[in-house]
Amino acid sequence: SQQGEEDPQALSIQEGENATMNCSYKTSINNLQWYRQNSGRGLVHLILIRSNEREKHSGRLRVTLDTSKKSSSLLITASRAADTASYFCATDARGAQKLVFGQGTRLTINP
Amino acid sequence: EAGVAQSPRYKIIEKRQSVAFWCNPISGHATLYWYQQILGQGPKLLIQFQNNGVVDDSQLPKDRFSAERLKGVDSTLKIQPAKLEDSAVYLCASSSSKSAGVREQYFGPGTRLTVT
Repeated sequence: SQQGEEDPQALSIQEGENATMNCSYKTSINNLQWYRQNSGRGLVHLILIRSNEREKHSGRLRVTLDTSKKSSSLLITASRAADTASYFCATDARGAQKLVFGQGTRLTINP
Repeated sequence: EAGVAQSPRYKIIEKRQSVAFWCNPISGHATLYWYQQILGQGPKLLIQFQNNGVVDDSQLPKDRFSAERLKGVDSTLKIQPAKLEDSAVYLCASSSSKSAGVREQYFGPGTRLTVT
């Protein structure tokens, strides 16, 4: 079963704009992770945010976590063509000892 | 540091045939995962090993899928017999997680299986 649900399913923006993707989940978590998957490639870990953290940055990436709303967002600033990929959130639910991935957001950056 | 290796990269078989996938995780990683990713969906965990013991195989179709991790390093995933709905990318991942709380996972390039 998929715990995380990403929104929107697809997003198309112009290069240089910011992209925001959201993830909602259902149960209490230890942490939430974001992954990127380029066409034809495996998944690459982007960032991990723990349940007691509210915001985390990594380069052009900014992740927020609201445990009261059971939601997270991933912001990519100053997008580039190379950011074109599918982005997945994955939750480590308390007691589960595993990651459950959402369906992903397909991001397209137009030149 | 070498990444997670998988082979083969592509495989085409007919339904009812058998197929095996191989994975070599990052050196020293205790935890190994096999995921199935159907086109347009997120990865679904099939089985999780901690060293050479199974931690979670609740979503593994055990009537046709089997997996082993010999000596706590390499792993193989087998499907016998294959069905059309098994067409997917099979991803192997490893992690240094040893206790509570899942850490970041490192994924291999995957094996794209087509069942005809």
